[in-house]
This record gives sequence, structure tokens and C-alpha cells, in this order.
Amino acid sequence: AQKITQTQPGMFVQEKEAVTLDCTYDTSDPSYGLFWYKQPSSGEMIFLIYQGSYDQQNATEGRYSLNFQKARKSANLVISASQLGDSAMYFCAMREQGDNDMRFGAGTRLTVKP
Amino acid sequence: DAGITQSPRHKVTETGTPVTLRCHQTENHRYMYWYRQDPGHGLRLIHYSYGVKDTDKGEVSDGYSVSRSKTEDFLLTLESATSSQTSVYFCALRDGLSDMGGYTFGSGTRLTVV
Repeated sequence: AQKITQTQPGMFVQEKEAVTLDCTYDTSDPSYGLFWYKQPSSGEMIFLIYQGSYDQQNATEGRYSLNFQKARKSANLVISASQLGDSAMYFCAMREQGDNDMRFGAGTRLTVKP
Repeated sequence: DAGITQSPRHKVTETGTPVTLRCHQTENHRYMYWYRQDPGHGLRLIHYSYGVKDTDKGEVSDGYSVSRSKTEDFLLTLESATSSQTSVYFCALRDGLSDMGGYTFGSGTRLTVV
């Protein structure tokens, strides 16, 4: 069953503006982790940010923040002050505690316009 | 970051031939994973290993086998390659120190079956 949904196949943002990439997930496990990965055109998967289901505060890593709304089961990635180098594919992923399968969404392709 | 190397980086093979992809790590991580990436599907788990000679199936394991005879090497074998196995294959690591740890990915292997 699909557990991670990314509804935006493609997004455009102007350089220096903020952008939100949507992610919703489905789980009945109270303990889980949420992850965002960036995949530039070179193909490697780069870890960006992590949110635990019991974390009280939204995770932040530099220009990346995760808007975690547990009741809505959403984990949107916010990129502030977009840069041209942010153009890439972005994947939301979830792993339930004790599960060895990290589930990925289909991804959102972000294009930053100069 | 964990040292993780995938080989080959690119391969073209004919339908019906066996193919083996290699993942090598230098960090002594316990968990290793093989994912495939296809447009519209994100990454999907093929097989994973939780120790030497300890492996298990993932979501899309049909047509694939794996072996882990040493901590540092995790091999993925396509016994008889089919065109549906044309994909980008990623190896990933997790150290297992934290049950909710994220994964570190290799650079990927682009496999084309003609």
C-alpha cells in the first residue's frame, strides 16, 4: 500500500523565494521517522532533514525546515531563500520503528528560476 | 559520511543474461539495502541485509537474489535479466545504532537491459 504521497510532480520557484514541497504519509505506528532527500541531476541521494514522530519541535537544518503536522499526517519541506543549486528532485520518506523498509514518495522536481 | 561504493556505475546487458551489482562499504555498518528507482515510483526496496548471511526480501524482490558473505559487501544478482529490470539501483547503509537512523546512499548503478 502506498504510504507516502507527494502530490506535486513539479514545482517552480523564483530564486531567493521560499518554497514548500508537500508530503503526506499513512501509518498506524505511533513511532516513526520522516526524512527528506535531495537528488540533483548527478543522481546521488543527499539526506536533508529528519523528523521523529515524538519530536515536539519542527526540525530545521540551515535553509531547510520540516513543517510537521502530526494530526494531519503531513511533513512538508520548506526551503527558504531558494538558490539555483536547489533545482533537483526531492523525495519524502518514512520508516516505522522496527521496519527495515524506508518507504519513499514518487518525488517532486523543483526548478529554481533566476 | 559512510564510505559506500557501487559498481559498476553503468551497465548494458542483454535479456536473459545474469547480472551482479556490487555494493561495498568501509564503515562496518550492520544494515545494507538494495533499492531500485523508477519514474513515478520513487525508490522501492528489493532486498536488505541485517548481518553477514542474514538477508530478507523487500517489496519488489521477484527476479532478484542477494548475498552477503562479508560485512563490507552486499551483492545483488539478477539471475536472468528482463527489460522490466531496466532501472537505477541504489545501495544504502544504516549503522543500526539508532533504530530510527536514516540511510546513506551509494551513487547508484544505471542498468539497461536490451
